[in-house]
Amino acid sequence: GQQVMQIPQYQHVQEGEDFTTYCNSSTTLSNIQWYKQRPGGHPVFLIQLVKSGEVKKQKRLTFQFGEAKKNSSLHITATQTTDVGTYFCAGLPIKAGANNLFFGTGTRLTVIP
Amino acid sequence: GAGVSQSPRYKVAKRGQDVALRCDPISGHVSLFWYQQALGQGPEFLTYFQNEAQLDKSGLPSDRFFAERPEGSVSTLKIQRTQQEDSAVYLCASSLARGGRGNQPQHFGDGTRLSIL
Repeated sequence: GQQVMQIPQYQHVQEGEDFTTYCNSSTTLSNIQWYKQRPGGHPVFLIQLVKSGEVKKQKRLTFQFGEAKKNSSLHITATQTTDVGTYFCAGLPIKAGANNLFFGTGTRLTVIP
Repeated sequence: GAGVSQSPRYKVAKRGQDVALRCDPISGHVSLFWYQQALGQGPEFLTYFQNEAQLDKSGLPSDRFFAERPEGSVSTLKIQRTQQEDSAVYLCASSLARGGRGNQPQHFGDGTRLSIL
């Protein structure tokens, strides 16, 4: 069945260090979305990638979609304490009738001041 | 309201009881999704509505789970004869998507934390 895995599961960084989380799907995706969930909160949409090899930037965040549309990454430059939370990728399988996103296992980021 | 509203925020029930969880999506949003999120895990898809039509219920874990959206706005997720493994956070999300595909940002509510004793 469809699986979306993320690594690492946890990451502790000193404030100012960079952070990267990787997302891998067992099947080809139509698109991939990234969400951030703060402790005790709900997932909040960050971005959507659609094209093979696409790269998008949001300030210190850089998102990539792999050429084969089966993997993705999120890189945060110079982390800040406000970056704390769990980052989820969510992929839509590229098959007819697919409606639902498959969420990854998430990477929980802790930023040490 | 400005966002997706879910109620109650917390629900404690004894094993075997029935529960009903409510979701009030963003006004005008066509698509509505229910997810189950276990502690430390990502949200897992349960079911999807486009307006009042339940187009996908493939994620519902058993026939004890039932969802409806009779007028295409508010939705209710009902769990009958609850069991301990039903304990989780139940998230509702809505999006503008009209094409029935998950290619629009989803806006999540704060969820209902369900604890079955």
